[in-house]
Amino acid sequence: SQTIHQWPATLVQPVGSPLSLECTVEGTSNPNLYWYRQAAGRGLQLLFYSVGIGQISSEVPQNLSASRPQDRQFILSSKKLLLSDSGFYLCACGMGQGATDTQYFGPGTRLTVL
Amino acid sequence: GESVGLHLPTLSVQEGDNSIINCAYSNSASDYFIWYKQESGKGPQFIIDIRSNMDKRQGQRVTVLLNKTVKHLSLQIAATQPGDSAVYFCAENTAGFQKLVFGTGTRLLVSP
Repeated sequence: SQTIHQWPATLVQPVGSPLSLECTVEGTSNPNLYWYRQAAGRGLQLLFYSVGIGQISSEVPQNLSASRPQDRQFILSSKKLLLSDSGFYLCACGMGQGATDTQYFGPGTRLTVL
Repeated sequence: GESVGLHLPTLSVQEGDNSIINCAYSNSASDYFIWYKQESGKGPQFIIDIRSNMDKRQGQRVTVLLNKTVKHLSLQIAATQPGDSAVYFCAENTAGFQKLVFGTGTRLLVSP
């Protein structure tokens, strides 16, 4: 079964600073990868997903970008953080089986922008 | 757009009781549903799933029921334990692709 790693676990950054969050997956190949953001006490908002290397789909306009330089690596970035970028960022992995694609989540990164 | 929603933000039960968490979905074309459990500060954990060609599926102490007529999904937890305390999300597969739409979640509080 797949294992999803995320780092850092927590991050405190000033407004206007850059961001790089990393997600790596073990135990599978050619997965679909996802970035979600979760505000405190709220549900999950899909930010980006990727079906392959270099293929990124953005779900919402925002201050963030994503890249997939390797099959099992997914990176979330920003050039200049905003206060509203604070939240819990979750990476997820699915096997692309169409309508029955279960997604499995990593441990998350808690980002606080001050 | 299509949505999946949970209407009870908090459910409080006594240890040993059975818990029922409900979810309404709006996309009648959805064909796959998942329940996740999220403990504080952790990523969501897969609990159980169900396809639209089924109306019931059982796991260990959990049962998911799907009523496509009224577009309703429920998660039943038998003999609820303190370790079941968490936020529970339902998720719906949409657009025939690997995107899930999540509800806002229900917090389950289990008292000893």
